[in-house]
Amino acid sequence: GEDVEQSLFLSVREGDSSVINCTYTDSSSTYLYWYKQEPGAGLQLLTYIFSNMDMKQDQRLTVLLNKKDKHLSLRIADTQTGDSAIYFCAEGPAGGGADGLTFGKGTHLIIQP
Amino acid sequence: DAGVTQSPTHLIKTRGQQVTLRCSPKSGHDTVSWYQQALGQGPQFIFQYYEEEERQRGNFPDRFSGHQFPNYSSELNVNALLLGDSALYLCASSLARRRALQETQYFGPGTRLLVL
Repeated sequence: GEDVEQSLFLSVREGDSSVINCTYTDSSSTYLYWYKQEPGAGLQLLTYIFSNMDMKQDQRLTVLLNKKDKHLSLRIADTQTGDSAIYFCAEGPAGGGADGLTFGKGTHLIIQP
Repeated sequence: DAGVTQSPTHLIKTRGQQVTLRCSPKSGHDTVSWYQQALGQGPQFIFQYYEEEERQRGNFPDRFSGHQFPNYSSELNVNALLLGDSALYLCASSLARRRALQETQYFGPGTRLLVL
């Protein structure tokens, strides 16, 4: 079955880089996503990567995909207090039609001053 | 450009009651997906609607049902509410896949349901 695993917490100092890791099991996933959720809010799409890519950079965000190991990471450069949130890794939809996304439990990013 | 909107924002019900949640998709989107996010968990896929029909369903009982209207908006209905149905219900909209086009899902702010 499908499963997405993430560490529950990550603590970094303001100004340092944050690296949030995720492993997934469904090799047929077409896209892999990173969503951000602030307290009491819905999910904000941060970035995504197509499964045949190994890296994508978007301003302070860098996504790395190791398809062989089914490992995805999100690097946030120069982490700021506004980056404090829960970050969800998600996979899907599988190729060939409609499908829901499968999410991890989320990583709480804590910023130390 | 209006994003995904949901109503109501909060709701309190008692066990055994029925509830209806509403979602309007992002402008230009035609597909609506519903997710349940329990406290401390990631969202769990309930089902997806396209062309007014349910086209994919997650592992949720028949108490969970939905509807999509001709204007692409959608409702989620939950019957015979249980305490465990307390959660944040998220709606996501997307544009149906055409060939290899990406079907990215954009989420609304959610409806927080408390069942007492």
